[in-house]
Amino acid sequence: GAVVSQHPSRVICKSGTSVKIECRSLDFQATTMFWYRQFPKQSLMLMATSNEGSKATYEQGVEKDKFLINHASLTLSTLTVTSAHPEDSSFYICSASGTGDFQPQHFGDGTRLSIL
Amino acid sequence: GIQVEQSPPDLILQEGANSTLRCNFSDSVNNLQWFHQNPWGQLINLFYIPSGTKQNGRLSATTVATERYSLLYISSSQTTDSGVYFCAVEDDKIIFGKGTRLHILP
Repeated sequence: GAVVSQHPSRVICKSGTSVKIECRSLDFQATTMFWYRQFPKQSLMLMATSNEGSKATYEQGVEKDKFLINHASLTLSTLTVTSAHPEDSSFYICSASGTGDFQPQHFGDGTRLSIL
Repeated sequence: GIQVEQSPPDLILQEGANSTLRCNFSDSVNNLQWFHQNPWGQLINLFYIPSGTKQNGRLSATTVATERYSLLYISSSQTTDSGVYFCAVEDDKIIFGKGTRLHILP
């Protein structure tokens, strides 16, 4: 149980393209999902907290207009990288936990984004 | 915010060796998890261990919440254990350490 599906796993596209990444909790409901970014050989950095039915909470330094997050249902959050540029190339990972206190985080397999 | 420090940053061992990875955190936390990130980037959840000791095969973990540290033990290392090991703590958000890069030599 507790599977998080992230799609697509890899994207290669031209500069200026907008890219949407989906994160789904397949067998549990998640009121909160998290989006992370990981640069090569570095740790995961929290970008934003996605709250179902309300606006996402962004970490300091993350451009909310560049990284649009939508959490329309209890099982789906999307991250859209708008007008992507080569510096947006990175590994993006989402995570979710079930409702209730002290639930472990379950991670998607990640999306490797390469902007040419 | 809470600081999470992992040590050592890098570790090279011969196959069959045992290892201990450490995670220190600067304040009380609600949760602590250990992950293994494989070469493809996938994060594998090893332990959910806010306190106490757990074992799963060759791996075990101990968290001493009152002293703000957790240890991950890997016994009889195999080459497939190579990768980066992260600990992550949860307060009002999840904070990752910088990881320990483990390389097991055949």
